[in-house]
Amino acid sequence: QQPVQSPQAVILREGEDAVINCSSSKALYSVHWYRQKHGEAPVFLMILLKGGEQKGHDKISASFNEKKQQSSLYLTASQLSYSGTYFCGTVNSGGSNYKLTFGKGTLLTVNP
Amino acid sequence: DTEVTQTPKHLVMGMTNKKSLKCEQHMGHRAMYWYKQKAKKPPELMFVYSYEKLSINESVPSRFSPECPNSSLLNLHLHALQPEDSALYLCASSQEREKAEAFFGQGTRLTVV
Repeated sequence: QQPVQSPQAVILREGEDAVINCSSSKALYSVHWYRQKHGEAPVFLMILLKGGEQKGHDKISASFNEKKQQSSLYLTASQLSYSGTYFCGTVNSGGSNYKLTFGKGTLLTVNP
Repeated sequence: DTEVTQTPKHLVMGMTNKKSLKCEQHMGHRAMYWYKQKAKKPPELMFVYSYEKLSINESVPSRFSPECPNSSLLNLHLHALQPEDSALYLCASSQEREKAEAFFGQGTRLTVV
């Protein structure tokens, strides 16, 4: 079951903030966030396990609302290097097999 | 060493060829994955190996054949591919299957002619 990401694309000026959302219709075990720059491999940002925790490093943080099966990625004071496509990946609860399914992605462009 | 190394970086093959993609990691990870990614699309899971055993096959056509010779290596054998199989093939590994972050290799850009 593919998670739904929003928005599909966002354009920022350097220093502005952004929020990317990820939601699922299934109960989730974990949510993963990745960033992929054009022509490069996806790079892991963070993982959130069920329990409603919030994580962050540097100026990027994320939350996981287990009851709503939603996660949000917060980018604060964006930098040019934040540009890329952000994917959330979700693992459903209750399955015996681990399967990470990615959303369609959010294209983030940070301009000077 | 926090790298996943994939070879070759680029591959062009005919529909009757047999080729293999290789993936290597030396992080002691026990889960390894193959993903396929088309342009402007998310990675799609193909196979998952956990402790060197195939645990997930996402109904991938038999012209793709994975192999995990040991805990550090993952191969993807290709035979009789179709032009629509042209894509970026990504290998990834994680400490455990269930919850650890996955490290991706740079991928093999495959073109089937």
